[in-house]
Amino acid sequence: AQSVTQLDSHVSVSEGTPVLLRCNYSSSYSPSLFWYVQHPNKGLQLLLKYTSAATLVKGINGFEAEFKKSETSFHLTKPSAHMSDAAEYFCVVSEGYGGSQGNLIFGKGTKLSVKP
Amino acid sequence: NAGVMQNPRHLVRRRGQEARLRCSPMKGHSHVYWYRQLPEEGLKFMVYLQKENIIDESGMPKERFSAEFPKEGPSILRIQQVVRGDSAAYFCASSLRQVGETQYFGPGTRLLVL
Repeated sequence: AQSVTQLDSHVSVSEGTPVLLRCNYSSSYSPSLFWYVQHPNKGLQLLLKYTSAATLVKGINGFEAEFKKSETSFHLTKPSAHMSDAAEYFCVVSEGYGGSQGNLIFGKGTKLSVKP
Repeated sequence: NAGVMQNPRHLVRRRGQEARLRCSPMKGHSHVYWYRQLPEEGLKFMVYLQKENIIDESGMPKERFSAEFPKEGPSILRIQQVVRGDSAAYFCASSLRQVGETQYFGPGTRLLVL
């Protein structure tokens, strides 16, 4: 079975400093991996997606993530945090191939706080 | 192209009542997924449907919960005889195809059971 572990439940950074949100996954297959962001009381927005093409994936709002198979990691980074980045971030893996296996497996989320 | 639509956005029910949550997928999408988010937790998969078919309901509670996606109209998640533990945010997502495809999420329905 596939699973996702987000290593930090809360991360706090100062505006203008780098962001690192850590994610490790376990998978029996070549996974599809995603990062979603959820602002308070809002739905989820897709930040970026990895599907076995380039290992460095660029997303929206300056975020990017690197797929490292040897480390089973898919950490999310941004060079310079903005106040509007304060939200909850979910690392997600797509389960399996074929048949009915279409659902997403979510990590427990990392809440990002950005200090002025 | 409108995104995934969910209504109502907020729903209050008393214990024992029924809750009906509706989801209209993105135009052209025929795959719909329902997820539940309990407070302070990530989303948990409930059910995956295509038009007129339930493909995977492995995440659905065995009792009181049902889902459908008719040929015409939105997908419906129905919770009968609600209990306080059903209070959560329920999110619907849709995709063009299935495995590995990007799922686009709606804004969610926040259910509060009094």
